[in-house]
Amino acid sequence: NAGVTQTPKFQVLKTGQSMTLQCAQDMNHNSMYWYRQDPGMGLRLIYYSASEGTTDKGEVPNGYNVSRLNKREFSLRLESAAPSQTSVYFCATYCDETYEQYFGPGTRLTVT
Amino acid sequence: EDQVTQSPEALRLQEGESSSLNCSYTVSGLRGLFWYRQDPGKGPEFLFTLYSAGEEKEKERLKATLTKKESFLHITAPKPEDSATYLCAVLPAGNNRKLIWGLGTSLAVNP
Repeated sequence: NAGVTQTPKFQVLKTGQSMTLQCAQDMNHNSMYWYRQDPGMGLRLIYYSASEGTTDKGEVPNGYNVSRLNKREFSLRLESAAPSQTSVYFCATYCDETYEQYFGPGTRLTVT
Repeated sequence: EDQVTQSPEALRLQEGESSSLNCSYTVSGLRGLFWYRQDPGKGPEFLFTLYSAGEEKEKERLKATLTKKESFLHITAPKPEDSATYLCAVLPAGNNRKLIWGLGTSLAVNP
């Protein structure tokens, strides 16, 4: 089992460009999350999806959109990238029974 | 306000020198407290879940304990491969699924 996978691993964008970060899981978990991690700021929740067809804003949703395509896939879109969105992005799942989260390997994004 | 504070921010140990990391929390009811390990350039890796005060969990050289206000991650006779950032998170009581994360403790174990 792959667990949680993310693509791409690295990306460099210019200000104003758009891109979509992809996440897929084979853990059969209902809930999926997108976080960003910045030095000194810790993990901050961008959006989460409690189940297929639902999404909710987290702590820092501005500048991002999400799509819960099906139970396995949850994508994060930057419509017009800004240097402030330079960060490492993590996708995670959540187990309803144990409350534990499981993370993907991350996408390192640089916006110039 | 729900909050998680980890201390120290950074810790340097000699191989074999045991120590503890602290995670103190303020939440209105606790559904679970979680410890993760994060290596540079990788995603957080799940270590332990603690659900109630007095609970303890162990894995190799790591032991996590929980009281009503804090959790400790005890590292016994650490090795260089234990070097990582250790993250603590809590899930407050209630119906949402949003974890509250601490900023982590960066541990370096020198050979």
